[in-house]
Amino acid sequence: EPEVTQTPSHQVTQMGQEVILRCVPISNHLYFYWYRQILGQKVEFLVSFYNNEISEKSEIFDDQFSVERPDGSNFTLKIRSTKLEDSAMYFCASTGQTSGANVLTFGAGSRLTVL
Amino acid sequence: KQEVTQIPAALSVPEGENLVLNCSFTDSAIYNLQWFRQDPGKGLTSLLLIQSSQREQTSGRLNASLDKSSGRSTLYIAASQPGDSATYLCAALTGGGNKLTFGTGTQLKVEL
Repeated sequence: EPEVTQTPSHQVTQMGQEVILRCVPISNHLYFYWYRQILGQKVEFLVSFYNNEISEKSEIFDDQFSVERPDGSNFTLKIRSTKLEDSAMYFCASTGQTSGANVLTFGAGSRLTVL
Repeated sequence: KQEVTQIPAALSVPEGENLVLNCSFTDSAIYNLQWFRQDPGKGLTSLLLIQSSQREQTSGRLNASLDKSSGRSTLYIAASQPGDSATYLCAALTGGGNKLTFGTGTQLKVEL
């Protein structure tokens, strides 16, 4: 069964450092998403991406965050200058359509720990 | 703004019991309602999706229902097994099909 692949599975970084989280969505999918889950809290929407541009972003997704699809397979989330409160599990998801039948396939997540 | 709530927050049942997990949402203008399973430290596995025009969906021992007018969905698990132990999340799809709003989840433990 096709999978969404995320790397790294766990990253530890110092506050103020830049972090890039990588995702390989399912190959024929067109819509890509990042969500995050702070420990003990809800999974929260960050950003959606379609046709090489952001289609929607949440209040959380401020100027410190950016997304990119640098080639035909990878989808990245960059955090420019990490803060302690960025520590969370970050999930990438993809889907082939946006409709009532939209099933998002999620990756296993990248756990980010900011010290 | 869509708010999704799940009760109970945690549930412990003996093996073989049938159980119901509850999900409520504030904005009935949803495209669909999805149920996910999350194992500790792992990603989100989609279990069932109910489109806004549907009332229920079934997959094996799982049955999910949707009542849009009252803003409620339930996940029914029949004959629970220890392997069902996980956190179950519901999520409502709104905003032009782009955004899932998740509940806080129900942590289920099925004991031998």
